[in-house]
Amino acid sequence: QVQLQESGPGLVKTSETLSLTCDVSGYSISSGYFWGWIRQPPGKGLEWIGSISDSGNLYDNASLKSRLTISVDASKNQFSLKLSSVTAADTAVYYCARATRSRGWFFDYWGQGTLVTVSS
Amino acid sequence: QSALTQPASVSGSPGQSITISCTGSSTDVGADNYVSWYQQHPGKAPKLMIYEVNIRPSGVSNRFSGSKSGNTASLTISGLQAEDEGDYYCSSYTTSSTLDVVFGGGTKLTVL
Repeated sequence: QVQLQESGPGLVKTSETLSLTCDVSGYSISSGYFWGWIRQPPGKGLEWIGSISDSGNLYDNASLKSRLTISVDASKNQFSLKLSSVTAADTAVYYCARATRSRGWFFDYWGQGTLVTVSS
Repeated sequence: QSALTQPASVSGSPGQSITISCTGSSTDVGADNYVSWYQQHPGKAPKLMIYEVNIRPSGVSNRFSGSKSGNTASLTISGLQAEDEGDYYCSSYTTSSTLDVVFGGGTKLTVL
């Protein structure tokens, strides 16, 4: 069974860099699919951040592009998110998920989510 | 502001059917048959319920069905059950130059 688990600091200071890792179990990242990040501000809807393949092929949200780094480490079966220069607007629950691109982008397995609060 | 428009809330009684709409444009919902739907219970991660407009993943009840007409997609839940209560989000592939995936603002389903 495919399982994903996010990890990283729950509190990040304003203007610093948010860093999260998603550990994948039950499926090898190298076997295909894309791997994505989606976030949800408290009480609000979902926002796609970006998705990456095992070979590093990246699709991302242009509104975050200048601050965003998504990478994959197939040897550890994990992928990561870094978002720099964070503000309070980046406070959200961050989810990692397995993504299918060839059929119009959908996310079939999700992590439980991790709340990241940005505060000075 | 979400790219896809959903009603803020819908409600229904057990056993009834409800439909949630998701309106986009010719660059997303209307562009292809690439609409998906997610169910989210409070404090939980979203769960994929429908993809490619009307395909149910393994394990999803056949009470859930999807359709699309033009720039509007719909999710219908028949035989409403208490466990269906939660938030529902539509999502679509988009031909936008700035992003590949857009979500709706979400619809809160209340089972009366």
